Amino acid sequence: GAVVSQHPSWVICKSGTSVKIECRSLDFQATTMFWYRQFPKQSLMLMATSNEGSKATYEQGVEKDKFLINHASLTLSTLTVTSAHPEDSSFYICSARSAAANEKLFFGSGTQLSVL
Amino acid sequence: GQQVMQIPQYQHVQEGEDFTTYCNSSTTLSNIQWYKQRPGGHPVFLIQLVKSGEVKKQKRLTFQFGEAKKNSSLHITATQTTDVGTYFCAGSNAGGTSYGKLTFGQGTILTVHP
Repeated sequence: GAVVSQHPSWVICKSGTSVKIECRSLDFQATTMFWYRQFPKQSLMLMATSNEGSKATYEQGVEKDKFLINHASLTLSTLTVTSAHPEDSSFYICSARSAAANEKLFFGSGTQLSVL
Repeated sequence: GQQVMQIPQYQHVQEGEDFTTYCNSSTTLSNIQWYKQRPGGHPVFLIQLVKSGEVKKQKRLTFQFGEAKKNSSLHITATQTTDVGTYFCAGSNAGGTSYGKLTFGQGTILTVHP
């Protein structure tokens, strides 16, 4: 099946710094990628939809200036958490939609962010 | 906005017992997908249901999509310890700009006691 690579797997950073998370579709082109946030034992909360070559669409309540999304190519989307604070600590996970697979989503392995 | 409710939140079973999780959407869905997430892992696609009343089977797993395309269920027969994990349903709205954007249910955490 299709593979989505996400890194880093985990990151610890100081409060006030920025962290970039990469999501790559390795063997297919993904015109659309999604970014989720997941708290322990909870569901995946969609943060934003990333479309190649255009601005991301953010869900209600998600600050676009804090969570910068760039989808510069058909295989790469990045999420940058700017000026991170402890409340941003969470599991961030991306998924890429394969047009050839009828909207099937392939998930990255996730990034555990801990902000000190 | 669209809401997808999933119950139960937790289910503890003895190995060999059956297990069912249910999903209910506030709106009609174009399709529903099911995912399994192992502890510490990421969601893995299990199946997609598209047709009204559709039933699909994967070995011990049976997936159903309601006639009104607003509810779905996943049933596991004779659970095994390898079935442990969180099962999520995820619905896609019928048509419109949100087509393809999935709304996840809260998930059901399944534990299986040997």
